[in-house]
Amino acid sequence: EAEVAQSPRYKITEKSQAVAFWCDPISGHATLYWYRQILGQGPELLVQFQDESVVDDSQLPKDRFSAERLKGVDSTLKIQPAELGDSAMYLCASSLGIGFSQETQYFGPGTRLLVL
Amino acid sequence: RKEVEQDPGPFNVPEGATVAFNCTYSNSASQSFFWYRQDCRKEPKLLMSVYSSGNEDGRFTAQLNRASQYISLLIRDSKLSDSATYLCVETRGGTGKLIFGQGTTLQVKP
Repeated sequence: EAEVAQSPRYKITEKSQAVAFWCDPISGHATLYWYRQILGQGPELLVQFQDESVVDDSQLPKDRFSAERLKGVDSTLKIQPAELGDSAMYLCASSLGIGFSQETQYFGPGTRLLVL
Repeated sequence: RKEVEQDPGPFNVPEGATVAFNCTYSNSASQSFFWYRQDCRKEPKLLMSVYSSGNEDGRFTAQLNRASQYISLLIRDSKLSDSATYLCVETRGGTGKLIFGQGTTLQVKP
């Protein structure tokens, strides 16, 4: 069964350093999502791509976070500089079509970030 | 006020028990609803969609009440393997963005 791939699985960094996460969605999936899940809370959407275009980045802290999906396939999420409050699990998800509300989103295993 | 509210629990129940979780949502424009299951330190996985007519999948039953803006999940004959966090999720028209509640933790004891 096809899966969403993410790397690294775990990342420990010091505050003010730069970190980057990578996601490879299920082949053929047009829509890619990055969510952040703080311990004890549900995931929250950071950014959504339709192919290579950003559809929604309203909750992305743009002063320090950036995301790209240059060829409309895999994606990178970057944080620079990292802050203590960025410690969380970063989840990537993908769906086949153009983000219809009924479509199933498939989640990757996540990247667990700890900022010291 | 949170868009999707859940009682975080934990709900501690014995094997074989029936347990129900409720979830309320604040936006009457919400279109689709789901229950996701999340095991400790794992990614969320779709458990079931929730329809106005209600739907059942084995031991799991989901109900939607649009008038009162709440969703429920009923688990019958609880198994140890049902221990997890159950996330209530809604979406609105357009982008497919999922809006999650904080989750309800279930612990099934032998």
